[in-house]
Amino acid sequence: DGGITQSPKYLFRKEGQNVTLSCEQNLNHDAMYWYRQDPGQGLRLIYYSQIVNDFQKGDIAEGYSVSREKKESFPLTVTSAQKNPTAFYLCASSRVPGQGSDTQYFGPGTRLTVL
Amino acid sequence: GQNIDQPTEMTATEGAIVQINCTYQTSGFNGLFWYQQHAGEAPTFLSYNVLDGLEEKGRFSSFLSRSKGYSYLLLKELQMKDSASYLCAVMDSNYQLIWGAGTKLIIKP
Repeated sequence: DGGITQSPKYLFRKEGQNVTLSCEQNLNHDAMYWYRQDPGQGLRLIYYSQIVNDFQKGDIAEGYSVSREKKESFPLTVTSAQKNPTAFYLCASSRVPGQGSDTQYFGPGTRLTVL
Repeated sequence: GQNIDQPTEMTATEGAIVQINCTYQTSGFNGLFWYQQHAGEAPTFLSYNVLDGLEEKGRFSSFLSRSKGYSYLLLKELQMKDSASYLCAVMDSNYQLIWGAGTKLIIKP
């Protein structure tokens, strides 16, 4: 089955610690995205990548970092510089970036709680 | 700025019809998406509109008016499993998705 996997589903960390969220896709999609979802707000774009070894900042990139060394993988690191890291993090991928009909498909999400 | 507006919450009865509205103001327009999201789960794609008019897909239909900056999602023959949040998203001139906060739909028996 093709799809997007994120691990773990729930993650707890102490304040001041960096944490890396995993995202893997076997859909052969070129583009991958990281979003953050908070209650009562729309999804907000953190980072996106349209091709291997290249990525761009989204609207709320401060305190986050990413890498795209392989087409299938787009891990997100939440650093200690992120002031409010507790949130639901969603990874998505799409086949052909830069086209209006390019549908994004989502992984199951990781709920990060910083204590 | 860019803005997507949807009602926060709606309630409907099983077997009935409900219409969820979405209005948008964005820098450019390259299509509008509707997603369904059950609590604690990932959004799943429902529909895509880029031209004016109605797109029907089973019990779900989506309508777009570009001149009015308006879309709606119509759900017919409501089932309890339709209880979820419905997210409206517009692709702007940079091909980035701008998301509404979502409409939580509660279905009562």
